[in-house]
Order: sequence, then C-alpha cells, then structure tokens
Amino acid sequence: GENVEQHPSTLSVQEGDSAVIKCTYSDSASNYFPWYKQELGKRPQLIIDIRSNVGEKKDQRIAVTLNKTAKHFSLHITETQPEDSAVYFCAASNGPGGYNKLIFGAGTRLAVHP
Amino acid sequence: NAGVTQTPKFQVLKTGQSMTLQCAQDMNHNSMYWYRQDPGMGLRLIYYSASEGTTDKGEVPNGYNVSRLNKREFSLRLESAAPSQTSVYFCASSDPRVETQYFGPGTRLLVL
Repeated sequence: GENVEQHPSTLSVQEGDSAVIKCTYSDSASNYFPWYKQELGKRPQLIIDIRSNVGEKKDQRIAVTLNKTAKHFSLHITETQPEDSAVYFCAASNGPGGYNKLIFGAGTRLAVHP
Repeated sequence: NAGVTQTPKFQVLKTGQSMTLQCAQDMNHNSMYWYRQDPGMGLRLIYYSASEGTTDKGEVPNGYNVSRLNKREFSLRLESAAPSQTSVYFCASSDPRVETQYFGPGTRLLVL
C-alpha cells in the first residue's frame, strides 16, 4: 500500500523567512496530493492541493510542487508570519474518483518566531 | 451550514466499555471517513464509506465498526474499548466532484 514520509518533523523559522516541507510517496499510481494545516486543538483544514497532471500550484504565499518521476512533493511558504505556526500534514491518494483514501504523512510542526 | 459535526467532544471510558461516536454532515457529500490521530503519527484512516450503503476498511480497522445510517450520518463504534484506542477521532466528508475532504472538530477519547 501507499506510504508517505514527511520531513522535517519540526521546523523553526524567523518571521519573513521561507519554509519548505517535503514529502515522498511510494505508490506511483497516486494522483492527488493535498496539504492540511492543523492549529493546536483544531481540525485539519485544507490549504492547497495538487493533482498529478500539474507540476506546480500557487496560492498567494503558499505553493506546492510535484515531481512524479521522483515521487515527491513539497510545500513552500514564503514571507512567513506568526499565524503560520501550526502542524502541517501532507497526504497522497490514488482514489478512483468520487472518494479518496488519503494516506497522511506524520506531520511537520512549524514555529514562526517574531 | 454547520459542515461536519461530531459528538461527543470528549469522552472517558474504562477498558471493556463500549461507545458510539457520531458524525453528521450537511453538505450533501457522498463520501465519509473516520480517522484517528495519535502524536507523531499523523492521521490514519479507520473506515470509509464511498457512498450511502457502502463501507470499507481503511488502514487501522481492528477494534472498530461503522454504520452509514443515511447520506448525512456515519457512526463509529468501539465494542470493547482498549487503552490503545485512546486517541483523537476525526470524521470527514467529501464530494465526488471535488476531492477535498472536510473534517469535523474531533472527539477526544481517553480509555483508562
């Protein structure tokens, strides 16, 4: 089955710096890659996703890149702010459409220091 | 529009007790999911329901059962709780046209 590895497990940056979180997956059939942000005590919320027919997607200060050949994808946050502090999870899925069995990485705890 | 709701928010059980976690969504989504979240392990899929009337096992189904009561509701049952089932449980739902999964607020379960 699918396995998703996420690095680093913790990341500390200064406000205004960039942050990069990387994930690798094992199943070459995976075709959907979402990123979720989870603040302390809250539910995970989708921040960006990418599908296997796209190499890069950007939404304001966040971007995701996908390398299907190497089977890895990354989250990039630019101009970080204290409110970006949270745990970020990547996931991968090869659902046939209609539903997705998401396999999650273990998470990255991002701390942005003022 | 409440989205995905879960009850209870928090529960303490003794080993061997049973309970049912409730989940409901008002977004007319076909698919629903149950995950557990443990420290350092991300979210792991317990069971899912691709559509009303169907349920399937996920990564960690042992010790759990589910019921898709109707299109809105998907419950998770622990028949005989064990300390290893101490976790935070999240329900989620998704629409077949858009793959995004929307999560509920979670149920924090402590089994003593």
